[in-house]
Amino acid sequence: QKEVEQNSGPLSVPEGAIASLNCTYSDRGSQSFFWYRQYSGKSPELIMSIYSNGDKEDGRFTAQLNKASQYVSLLIRDSQPSDSATYLCAVKVGNFNKFYFGSGTKLNVKP
Amino acid sequence: NAGVTQTPKFQVLKTGQSMTLQCAQDMNHNSMYWYRQDPGMGLRLIYYSASEGTTDKGEVPNGYNVSRLNKREFSLRLESAAPSQTSVYFCAGREGTNSPLHFGNGTRLTVT
Repeated sequence: QKEVEQNSGPLSVPEGAIASLNCTYSDRGSQSFFWYRQYSGKSPELIMSIYSNGDKEDGRFTAQLNKASQYVSLLIRDSQPSDSATYLCAVKVGNFNKFYFGSGTKLNVKP
Repeated sequence: NAGVTQTPKFQVLKTGQSMTLQCAQDMNHNSMYWYRQDPGMGLRLIYYSASEGTTDKGEVPNGYNVSRLNKREFSLRLESAAPSQTSVYFCAGREGTNSPLHFGNGTRLTVT
């Protein structure tokens, strides 16, 4: 079982819609959770970090964490074609310094 | 402030050749990491260095060695390259306990 699981997609949404990206993780000791966006041929860039249960909002992005269900999600409101990219979920495991990544979900926002 | 800088950007090796991928950061990162990214596999951790003078294996360390030369620099060495090591390699760093990773621009390596 992989440490971090994501649906590879592609997830297609029309412009202006809400895109919902999901991630599950296996280690209950995980403490820190991150969402990265990666455009084709580029390096991952940080969008959101979340550390406690509940929602965290930053502009059009909302990260949601449920540690009991070992589930973290990213909502993108008013999706734009420029949001088309692969979104990577990352988890820092317990007290270790290891970060594990999901395989990423490819998002297509159609004009 | 360049952030995390990787060299080279591209490299082609023949099977059996050796090379070192360089990574340097100017962001006061205590921890540094090397990942590889293959299609459909996401980012897989090769080695990491929690602090200067320490290194630890990640998920896929076989065929690689690392050196944390000082706080700024963390290099990845392939002693005898194999076609299975064809990949995009990313170096990353982070400052503190709950800090996120910041990535370099990557090195695209092809082994023929």
